[in-house]
Amino acid sequence: DIQMTQSPSTLSASVGDRVTITCRASQSINIWMAWYQQRPGKAPELLIYKASTLESGVPSRFSGSGSGTEFTLTISSLQPEDFATYYCQQYSSYGAWTFGQGTKVEIK
Amino acid sequence: VRLVQSGPEVKKPGASVKVSCEASSYTFNSYGISWVRQAPGQGLEWMGWISTYNGDTRSEETFQGRITMTTDTATNTAYMELRSLQSDDTAVYYCARASNDLSYKDCFDVWGQGTLVTVSS
Repeated sequence: DIQMTQSPSTLSASVGDRVTITCRASQSINIWMAWYQQRPGKAPELLIYKASTLESGVPSRFSGSGSGTEFTLTISSLQPEDFATYYCQQYSSYGAWTFGQGTKVEIK
Repeated sequence: VRLVQSGPEVKKPGASVKVSCEASSYTFNSYGISWVRQAPGQGLEWMGWISTYNGDTRSEETFQGRITMTTDTATNTAYMELRSLQSDDTAVYYCARASNDLSYKDCFDVWGQGTLVTVSS
């Protein structure tokens, strides 16, 4: 199974900050990486797929990069509604999806 | 496009639970359904996937033998049954839309609202 390691587990930041979350795969997944945002008490929402493609309706302050085993999610200017938990997910393995453990973005 | 799940459940250890996921505003048998769960305060755990086209299934090893996924194309509904429940199965269970074809790599673009399953004696 492909393991996903996300860092940091918690991130404290202020409105307007640039924040970066990293996800590392245990083996190459090419560009088959997705990022999700989950607000408290809500279902996850897709932000980015194929490592860097923004899902329709997602603000342009979100961006993704990487390929192979190293990936990043960047929020260029943190907004109040961005305080949430973010998960990476690999979908390279046929019929075996795995998530990172999550990164909680908190208000500093 | 929506996935609407059934309501919360309370079950005793050893029992089974069946969660439903009704799709609307898209062609149901054009997309597969995955099931993901989230224990209280924990991360997301993929459980299994079903093709709504041909009923093919895949499941995470830890759930094999305990999970059954089915679909009803007449009502555009997917079901996930989990048997032999224990307290550590207490979680929110989500359905999510995925590809119907495993040769096509796909993530989950639409999610249900979640169903809380509580296992307690």
